Amino acid sequence: GQNIDQPTEMTATEGAIVQINCTYQTSGFNGLFWYQQHAGEAPTFLSYNVLDGLEEKGRFSSFLSRSKGYSYLLLKELQMKDSASYLCAHMDSNYQLIWGAGTKLIIKP
Amino acid sequence: IAGITQAPTSQILAAGRRMTLRCTQDMRHNAMYWYRQDLGLGLRLIHYSNTAGTTGKGEVPDGYSVSRANTDDFPLTLASAVPSQTSVYFCASRAGTGATDTQYFGPGTRLTVL
Repeated sequence: GQNIDQPTEMTATEGAIVQINCTYQTSGFNGLFWYQQHAGEAPTFLSYNVLDGLEEKGRFSSFLSRSKGYSYLLLKELQMKDSASYLCAHMDSNYQLIWGAGTKLIIKP
Repeated sequence: IAGITQAPTSQILAAGRRMTLRCTQDMRHNAMYWYRQDLGLGLRLIHYSNTAGTTGKGEVPDGYSVSRANTDDFPLTLASAVPSQTSVYFCASRAGTGATDTQYFGPGTRLTVL
């Protein structure tokens, strides 16, 4: 079967660093995606990893380990506008996205 | 460029009524998707279309139907709404069905079935 897990909620302080973890189990794998979703809005694309390692994009970085079925999203220099839900999704063998329930990130001043 | 538009933005519907949620994209994307998002469950795929003229069932297709008569439009119909279909519905599209094709989302429709 296919399963994808991430923490329900995390809290961090403005200016700090936070790491959101995601674990998945799948029989077929075509990449790992991270999306950001502000309350009441649509998800928007953040990152895509298909090979092991770290992909850096400004304040956001995403890491993948295919052998461990593990990814994380690293957010640096946190800003209040980063308060949102972060959705992890893997692409299965049929090129469909399987989504985690999302991690709500609360940023405190 | 509008991207993906959905209508209505929100709707309150009596159980048993028929309802069509509209989705239109202007990016000439081949693939389109309908998801529902419920608290604690994440996005679940209802139906998808890899190209105009074809559709497929996702994880939770029961009670829903779709059509894809052309590239731009992908309506979702609830034939006889039930309270368990209360949810936020997102339409999405991407250029192709390859691994690197990013999926873009519409603004969503908030549906309440009473």
